[in-house]
Amino acid sequence: DAGITQSPRHKVTETGTPVTLRCHQTENHRYMYWYRQDPGHGLRLIHYSYGVKDTDKGEVSDGYSVSRSKTEDFLLTLESATSSQTSVYFCAISESRASGDHNEQFFGPGTRLTVL
Amino acid sequence: SQKIEQNSEALNIQEGKTATLTCNYTNYSPAYLQWYRQDPGRGPVFLLLIRENEKEKRKERLKVTFDTTLKQSLFHITASQPADSATYLCAPNRDDKIIFGKGTRLHILP
Repeated sequence: DAGITQSPRHKVTETGTPVTLRCHQTENHRYMYWYRQDPGHGLRLIHYSYGVKDTDKGEVSDGYSVSRSKTEDFLLTLESATSSQTSVYFCAISESRASGDHNEQFFGPGTRLTVL
Repeated sequence: SQKIEQNSEALNIQEGKTATLTCNYTNYSPAYLQWYRQDPGRGPVFLLLIRENEKEKRKERLKVTFDTTLKQSLFHITASQPADSATYLCAPNRDDKIIFGKGTRLHILP
């Protein structure tokens, strides 16, 4: 987890409220990712970023938005939280694109989000 | 759609034996395949990467094979130890995205 922090680590919120999760890195890696992990589904990509202000959707992007205004920060926003978004959220970083060398991902400690 | 399959059942292996985990993929042509370890309550940790033009990769007690014809990767842990107990994720990848399998839980029995 060195070099990557996530905040908050735990959050309980109510349906319909907006929620923002923060990922912060000190590694100066170009790529940043947001995943959610649920029993029976494994890790699923929500959004990723390949540079400042450059983002793209993953396989489960509906209901989520992201922003990256600085290399070190990648924010995930749940515009109006629903109970189906209760999950563990992981941020990851990598030095290069998935098809390049040095593309292993380094994961943060995770954020456990509960939507009541 | 792209599909990654790993042993869905937990794998119980006696300490000292070799543990072999399987990863199969369909509708996908990955350029790389990675293996990660995940402990409860923690994020995944990268273990090994193998490229499509490599048949085998080793790191200490770990060995990974990659058969692009069979669309399969095997992950071996030799001389297994109880500390190897964890969930292991395979992750074939190409372009900007990695697709993770659901993982196989491995229990090394003392």
